Amino acid sequence: DTAVSQTPKYLVTQMGNDKSIKCEQNLGHDTMYWYKQDSKKFLKIMFSYNNKELIINETVPNRFSPKSPDKAHLNLHINSLELGDSAVYFCASSRRTGLKNEQFFGPGTRLTVL
Amino acid sequence: AQKITQTQPGMFVQEKEAVTLDCTYDTSDQSYGLFWYKQPSSGEMIFLIYQGSYDEQNATEGRYSLNFQKARKSANLVISASQLGDSAMYFCAMREAIGFGNEKLTFGTGTRLTIIP
Repeated sequence: DTAVSQTPKYLVTQMGNDKSIKCEQNLGHDTMYWYKQDSKKFLKIMFSYNNKELIINETVPNRFSPKSPDKAHLNLHINSLELGDSAVYFCASSRRTGLKNEQFFGPGTRLTVL
Repeated sequence: AQKITQTQPGMFVQEKEAVTLDCTYDTSDQSYGLFWYKQPSSGEMIFLIYQGSYDEQNATEGRYSLNFQKARKSANLVISASQLGDSAMYFCAMREAIGFGNEKLTFGTGTRLTIIP
């Protein structure tokens, strides 16, 4: 029944490593997003994909590479992890357009870089 | 560019009282949407309520209502009869059109609400 799921929920890793976070939605939505929530709880969009096409790339370092194999999945790969990458990463999905068009969020992935 | 402002970093409210969380926004768009999300300590983001810029009536969803004052560009969330389970971070967000039918949400910095028994 999970609408938007993310794996893993927690990720602890060393600086310099490469890691991936996976996201899947079963809502039939066309658009998916990645957000970063920092230690002060500020939530900022990183990327959005519409039907596998990159729509938004909000000046994110190119160490971050999203990949959408199909419209139900949006994965986030991070190369050469840095201390400042420690945050909670949320995946979300929505219909492409519509008056209400609320975004449904996954449970988040807490990334800790040591 | 759009901006969302939540001026109350934290609020303490007695249980069963009503509470208003402030949100002001800045946009030059005519068509936009305003959302409120709740983030409890468990971390998930929960959609609460939506107000469209052309909606003439204030949105309501159960104990949540949105006090929408378009001329003042404010969209305050009102929670009636607060409960202990309402303790959480609350985020105001605005939908921004970015062209070709695509949109994004811009979030405010949030208000941490604590309900006191």
